[in-house]
This record gives sequence, C-alpha cells and structure tokens, in this order.
Amino acid sequence: DSGVTQTPKHLITATGQRVTLRCSPRSGDLSVYWYQQSLDQGLQFLIQYYNGEERAKGNILERFSAQQFPDLHSELNLSSLELGDSALYFCASSVDGVETQYFGPGTRLLVL
Amino acid sequence: GQQVMQIPQYQHVQEGEDFTTYCNSSTTLSNIQWYKQRPGGHPVFLIQLVKSGEVKKQKRLTFQFGEAKKNSSLHITATQTTDVGTYFCAGINTGTASKLTFGTGTRLQVTL
Repeated sequence: DSGVTQTPKHLITATGQRVTLRCSPRSGDLSVYWYQQSLDQGLQFLIQYYNGEERAKGNILERFSAQQFPDLHSELNLSSLELGDSALYFCASSVDGVETQYFGPGTRLLVL
Repeated sequence: GQQVMQIPQYQHVQEGEDFTTYCNSSTTLSNIQWYKQRPGGHPVFLIQLVKSGEVKKQKRLTFQFGEAKKNSSLHITATQTTDVGTYFCAGINTGTASKLTFGTGTRLQVTL
C-alpha cells in the first residue's frame, strides 16, 4: 500500500459525459501528478500540482482539467468523453516534486 | 521535447535466464529512477541513480547510470516468475525542474 488513494476504482460512462477522478496523496506529500495509461501503453504524464499550484503540464487535452485543493487532495476532470479516453488513470504523489513518486491504485475508466 | 526510449519493448525468458532492459534519453538527465508495474497493478519505485557511472544492486537486480547521464540499464540475474511485469525508467531532465519523463517500458514475461 503506497498511501495514495484514488476513487473510484472503476468508472463506466458514455461518450459525451463528464467524470471526476479523485486522489488523496500520501500524508506529507505536497506534489500530485496525474498519468494516463492506455492498454499496453506507457505512462503518459498529464499534469503536476505542487502545494495547490500547477507546476508542470504534459500531454493533457483541453477537455481535461485538474486542480489541487488546500487539503492537498486533487481532482482530474474529464469532459466530452470519447471512446479513446478509456484508460487507467494514475495519481502519484511525492514530497517536494523531484523525488520518488508513489502511485495510487488507479481508476479504470471505460467510455462506451 | 524530451524523449525516453526503452528497449526491448517486450521480452519473454525462461526462469533462470538473465534479462536486461536499456533506457535511452534524448537529453542529459539529472537523475534516473526505475519503477516496476506488475500486471494489473500500479508502478512501484525501485531505485534512483544520481551520479554519472553509478551502479546499484538490489539482490538479483543491477542498475547502472551511464557516464554521460543519458542512458541507463536494469539487469536481472536468474529471473524468477515473480519478476514478471513492466519495467519503466523515468528521468528528470537537467533543464526542466521537476518533470519526470517515463520511458516507454519493457514488459517481461517469465515462464517455467
């Protein structure tokens, strides 16, 4: 158990819908990262937050947005969902944004 | 942007054989990390290398960071079925403060 929690574990929705994925980092970690992993694919970095502020942006679509709240939990919002958005979405956290990342169990999203 | 490639993409070995995965970055890295993702699981941190030419061992696993800090390797001696999974390297570019770029991953299958 990494100490990073993600909810929900599974999500099934339809094209065009909007969903919110939630992540709680390890106690004491200030940085949160979001990754997308499609079937048999690598980890695509989406976005990083550090202590509430956006720090780095990867290949995140305009239909996706994220935020980190004062209690340091983070949410990833995916809107106007397409079939190709079906993937595993991982959240990771680290102490200060440059050290080891601890991954949560992931949210498996299926868009039908 | 920075690219981190790993070879091979996939390797199937018999238990007891050795295995090596290679990681190559298009840019110089300040450090490199290795993660393992078991089937159906999430990436788990294995190790971090920081110094040029650094070699670290964890039981049957040997990690090496190249002299130019642009490549790395993971060697597993006498593989076991518990080694099955995907191995990712991840590097921080010396020019970009904190963004960790994950490699494409090498999937290892071990059979008896």
